[in-house]
Amino acid sequence: NAGVMQNPRHLVRRRGQEARLRCSPMKGHSHVYWYRQLPEEGLKFMVYLQKENIIDESGMPKERFSAEFPKEGPSILRIQQVVRGDSAAYFCASSPMIGSYGYTFGSGTRLTVV
Amino acid sequence: DQQVKQNSPSLSVQEGRISILNCDYTNSMFDYFLWYKKYPAEGPTFLISISSIKDKNEDGRFTVFLNKSAKHLSLHIVPSQPGDSAVYFCAASVKGGGTSYGKLTFGQGTILTVHP
Repeated sequence: NAGVMQNPRHLVRRRGQEARLRCSPMKGHSHVYWYRQLPEEGLKFMVYLQKENIIDESGMPKERFSAEFPKEGPSILRIQQVVRGDSAAYFCASSPMIGSYGYTFGSGTRLTVV
Repeated sequence: DQQVKQNSPSLSVQEGRISILNCDYTNSMFDYFLWYKKYPAEGPTFLISISSIKDKNEDGRFTVFLNKSAKHLSLHIVPSQPGDSAVYFCAASVKGGGTSYGKLTFGQGTILTVHP
């Protein structure tokens, strides 16, 4: 049973381009969380999704960022018109049920904006 | 607004000795606490957790202590091993429900180095 799969592992984008980060949860997990880790900081919650629903997006920047978790396929975190400040490691985690806190993280996508 | 703080950026310990990592929080609504371990280029791995109804939880070499009145928790690793060298994050949550369910607030992390 594969763990949480994130791709790509590394992504380089020029300022103004779009970045798409993918997360495939563990088999049987229908809850997905996205976190961002800026350099020298801890992980910051961005968004919590269930299949086809955004449950809590309180940590998402108001502009340029969006997330989805369709009925079929991976969860996608989309960043439009990237800026240098978006450079960070983006981690996805999944859990089998609500209220499950020791959830499993993927290895992350390291986004570099040049 | 840093609600979970790990004031020691790094800790160096000799193999076989005890490692004590500390964490303070400010939000009195937090009622569930976790420790994660992270190696470079990997995602965090869940280690141990504790509910606010307890003051201690033990799992093998790892013990977490919670002092609610001081809003302080600590992770003890005994005995420390070189393979424990990693970044350790504490995290907190309001487990009481609502749309915050499952959302974690992390500290900045402490780099633990265990010397052979």
